[in-house]
Amino acid sequence: DQQVKQNSPSLSVQEGRISILNCDYTNSMFDYFLWYKKYPAEGPTFLISISSIKDKNEDGRFTVFLNKSAKHLSLHIVPSQPGDSAVYFCAASVDAGGTSYGKLTFGQGTILTVHP
Amino acid sequence: KAGVTQTPRYLIKTRGQQVTLSCSPISGHRSVSWYQQTPGQGLQFLFEYFSETQRNKGNFPGRFSGRQFSNSRSEMNVSTLELGDSALYLCASSLRFGGGPNEQFFGPGTRLTVL
Repeated sequence: DQQVKQNSPSLSVQEGRISILNCDYTNSMFDYFLWYKKYPAEGPTFLISISSIKDKNEDGRFTVFLNKSAKHLSLHIVPSQPGDSAVYFCAASVDAGGTSYGKLTFGQGTILTVHP
Repeated sequence: KAGVTQTPRYLIKTRGQQVTLSCSPISGHRSVSWYQQTPGQGLQFLFEYFSETQRNKGNFPGRFSGRQFSNSRSEMNVSTLELGDSALYLCASSLRFGGGPNEQFFGPGTRLTVL
């Protein structure tokens, strides 16, 4: 039962253009959504998060959009840079009565390649 | 500030053996979570510790266990290793437990190979 899905295994984008990474989820109990970036031989690095009560959060070149009715979120990277080439994971967590957000449920990841 | 450290980085074991992996969180972080990453299953949550107590557990067999020490360092143990346990084991630490989005900082992982 995959509660968080990233249906695109890979995405290729030209430098300077927009990268849009998508994520769908099935569990309506998720309270927070996060995006992580992962380079080979390194652990995932936190990028940006969004609460389920919001529909947009922006941080520099990164913007996350949340559509609760569609159970869909997306990460926009503008402009894309070659250094953004990595695996991107979306993740979600449930507020277990305010006691824990430590259990993250991850999608399968999308490999982003930004060409110079 | 030093990041999350995991030791060893690489490990080769044979079926039936047991293994212990270690994680040192970022200084001041009290919550430690463990994840298993495999090509087929992706990143899956193993367990979470806070103040030396397991707060959350994923869907893994009892062969997988862990603990946290008073200095927040954590270890995970896998007994009776199976070929399918070959994976990258990631440890993540965070500052707090509850009260908001739990931004977790990951270590580089321990690559376990079971032969």
